[in-house]
Amino acid sequence: AQSVTQLGSHVSVSEGALVLLRCNYSSSVPPYLFWYVQYPNQGLQLLLKYTTGATLVKGINGFEAEFKKSETSFHLTKPSAHMSDAAEYFCAVRDTGRRALTFGSGTRLQVQP
Amino acid sequence: DAGVIQSPRHEVTEMGQEVTLRCKLISGHNSLFWYRQTMMRGLELLIYFNNNVPIDDSGMPEDRFSAKMPNASFSTLKIQPSEPRDSAVYFCASPGKERGASTSTDTQYFGPGTRLTVL
Repeated sequence: AQSVTQLGSHVSVSEGALVLLRCNYSSSVPPYLFWYVQYPNQGLQLLLKYTTGATLVKGINGFEAEFKKSETSFHLTKPSAHMSDAAEYFCAVRDTGRRALTFGSGTRLQVQP
Repeated sequence: DAGVIQSPRHEVTEMGQEVTLRCKLISGHNSLFWYRQTMMRGLELLIYFNNNVPIDDSGMPEDRFSAKMPNASFSTLKIQPSEPRDSAVYFCASPGKERGASTSTDTQYFGPGTRLTVL
């Protein structure tokens, strides 16, 4: 069985500061990993994904994430937060043998001016 | 992306009424997923279809819930009778093709969701 843990349901940063959203997963097989962003009253939008190959993945809006197998982590980072980054972020895992995604509980990012 | 359209966007109904949520794919695909989002349980899979056949419906709460995918472009999720605890946002998702790709991706693209309120 696979699971996803997102540490910190709320994260607050100042505009221009580093954003770090944590995600740890458990999976019995090599996983596919995803980060989605959800703006208020909207659906989920893909930020980035890891399937195979390079472990540092770059996504949209300046976000990136690094797959660390030894730590079973896939933390999301952005060097400099922007006000428009305020949203809820979801980490998700998909086992290669299963099509559906398992989501973490989400982290709400606040960006202070 | 897959171009996922959901209707209605908002639904308010009274307990006991039948509710039908719809999902339309602009580019038909043989895989489709229904998820539910609540404050208490977060995002959880209800059911997914492959080749229009339900493959995993273990997330469907109970017999009051049913889903169909009559063709590659359309699916419905029905709740009968509805209860207040069914209040949630229901998302439909489907894999899509990335630019230049000849086959679908591992990525699921989500519709805007239907916000259901059962009074």
